[in-house]
Amino acid sequence: QQQVKQSPQSLIVQKGGISIINCAYENTAFDYFPWYQQFPGKGPALLIAIRPDVSEKKEGRFTISFNKSAKQFSLHIMDSQPGDSATYFCAASVGGNQFYFGTGTSLTVIP
Amino acid sequence: NAGVTQTPKFQVLKTGQSMTLQCAQDMNHEYMSWYRQDPGMGLRLIHYSVGAGITDQGEVPNGYNVSRSTTEDFPLRLLSAAPSQTSVYFCASSWDREGQPQHFGDGTRLSIL
Repeated sequence: QQQVKQSPQSLIVQKGGISIINCAYENTAFDYFPWYQQFPGKGPALLIAIRPDVSEKKEGRFTISFNKSAKQFSLHIMDSQPGDSATYFCAASVGGNQFYFGTGTSLTVIP
Repeated sequence: NAGVTQTPKFQVLKTGQSMTLQCAQDMNHEYMSWYRQDPGMGLRLIHYSVGAGITDQGEVPNGYNVSRSTTEDFPLRLLSAAPSQTSVYFCASSWDREGQPQHFGDGTRLSIL
């Protein structure tokens, strides 16, 4: 049973556009929600993270929106660039010990 | 700092063979973990450790053993490899029990025939 459901599986966006990736969860005990970026042949790297006491967090072109009542959170990439082409994973954890990852979104930004 | 180092990068095994995947970090991180990554499945936690001498099971622990005798090293053992264990394995570490941010190694690609 997938603890964190992620969509879409793949996404193609024009350069300069907005990329949006969505995740949903059921376990209300989750208290930490990170997003990871992964390039081919590399391990995932933390991109941005949020805790459920805030509804939005922005770091540069990357924004997490968090809807606690709907148990959903999303990653927005503004002004998407070809260098953003990668696989993105959402995740959730309780107390930082066990992390549950989404199934990943392959993002392609075309020039 | 080298960060998180995984060896080997690639390995082919026959069913029933045993092997150990190595993971070392030089950041003095307390928390370390092992994941497997399969197509369409994301990353799934196998085992984790919150410090030397302490390990616990993750989401998919069957078929794998771990130990943590030092802060730096967290090896993953496959005692009798099965084709279902063909995957890409990632080791990660972080500073404290909150587990953030996790630093991942570049993975070990394991094929079991």
